[in-house]
This record gives sequence, structure tokens and C-alpha cells, in this order.
Amino acid sequence: RKEVEQDPGPFNVPEGATVAFNCTYSNSASQSFFWYRQDCRKEPKLLMSVYSSGNEDGRFTAQLNRASQYISLLIRDSKLSDSATYLCVVENRDDKIIFGKGTRLHILP
Amino acid sequence: GAVVSQHPSRVICKSGTSVKIECRSLDFQATTMFWYRQFPKQSLMLMATSNEGSKATYEQGVEKDKFLINHASLTLSTLTVTSAHPEDSSFYICSASKQVTTDTQYFGPGTRLTVL
Repeated sequence: RKEVEQDPGPFNVPEGATVAFNCTYSNSASQSFFWYRQDCRKEPKLLMSVYSSGNEDGRFTAQLNRASQYISLLIRDSKLSDSATYLCVVENRDDKIIFGKGTRLHILP
Repeated sequence: GAVVSQHPSRVICKSGTSVKIECRSLDFQATTMFWYRQFPKQSLMLMATSNEGSKATYEQGVEKDKFLINHASLTLSTLTVTSAHPEDSSFYICSASKQVTTDTQYFGPGTRLTVL
């Protein structure tokens, strides 16, 4: 099993719809989780951290399921500007940071 | 597929020494490789972009003489931190793209550099 796995997509979603994607991780001792957003040929930007209690930032909700070892990102009322690649990032106890290969999201007008 | 490795994963060195970090694409040819630096709890900061066989393009504020980048082959890029200082201690991550025109980057596992 890969350390961090994501569905590469692309997810083609109409504007205004809700979209969700998951990311699974293999190391049960992983301690920190993040979602990054990467626009075309730009550097990844931290979108949000993922806490055990889940967290919400506007239209974005991130959740962590330690039992099943996955994190999720939900985007409500999607905008054209949400089109990007979303990277799942997992940090282990030895400070090793592992990036998923990303999920491509296309919001369609 | 699309595996990127970095070596070493962790290095501790004395101030004033130089450290070389390797980034390899194991199962594909990487036309373009990127070097990032990450400070704790912050986003990645792009340091430079390198294309095989040509000089790296450095981001503003990144000293090219301090951070030497070599992309000599389609599967290997190296970052050398010259005359390292404690403030260079950080997490360095590389990524690789298969083609110049693609925006998909495959990330390496990172190298933790600690300068004493």
C-alpha cells in the first residue's frame, strides 16, 4: 500500500456543486495532515490543516478518520476558481512529510 | 509509477560545510525539477526550477551562489547548500514533472537539514 494515495481524477464538476475527495494513508502513527492547493505551474499553497475534530473554513471542510486512515476535503458551492490540483500531505512522527500525487479538479461553467 | 526519491532523508552538519541533496525520478524522465523549502507550519516556498541541461531559474530572494542546483540528467537533480549556516536548517523538498508543459508535479519525501 502506498504511503499516501489519492484519486488523480480529474473530477469534472459543474459550478455550484459540492465535491469531495479522500486521501488514504498507510502509517497509523502519522500525526499531522494537510490539504494543499496547487494551481497550474505554481507552487503548492497550504489550504488547511486537518484536525481530529474536523475543521471548516468557509466553503471548505476537512475531516480526519484515524480508524480508517483517511482524510477528506469537501468543497461546497464550487467556484470556477476552485479548479486546481489538491494535494494531500501527511507528516509522520519522524518529521517525514509525504505528498500525495494530487487530485485534479475542474469546475465547469 | 512516478516515484521521486531524495537522498539523504536527514542530514546534520556543522556550520560552514556544504551539503548536497539528491533528487531522483526513479521510473520516469523528469524534464523539469523543482526545489522547495518548508519552514515549520508554513507552505512550501519555491526556491528554483531546473530544466535538464540548462541553468536553474531561481526565485526572487534565493541566492544562486548559496544554493547550487545541477540538473545534469533527466533523472537526477542536485541541490548543494554551500557554507551552510544554522538559518539554512529546514526541510527541503524536490518535485519533478515529466514534461515542460505539464503541471503535474511528483514530490519527493524531503530532506531534513540541520546545521549546528
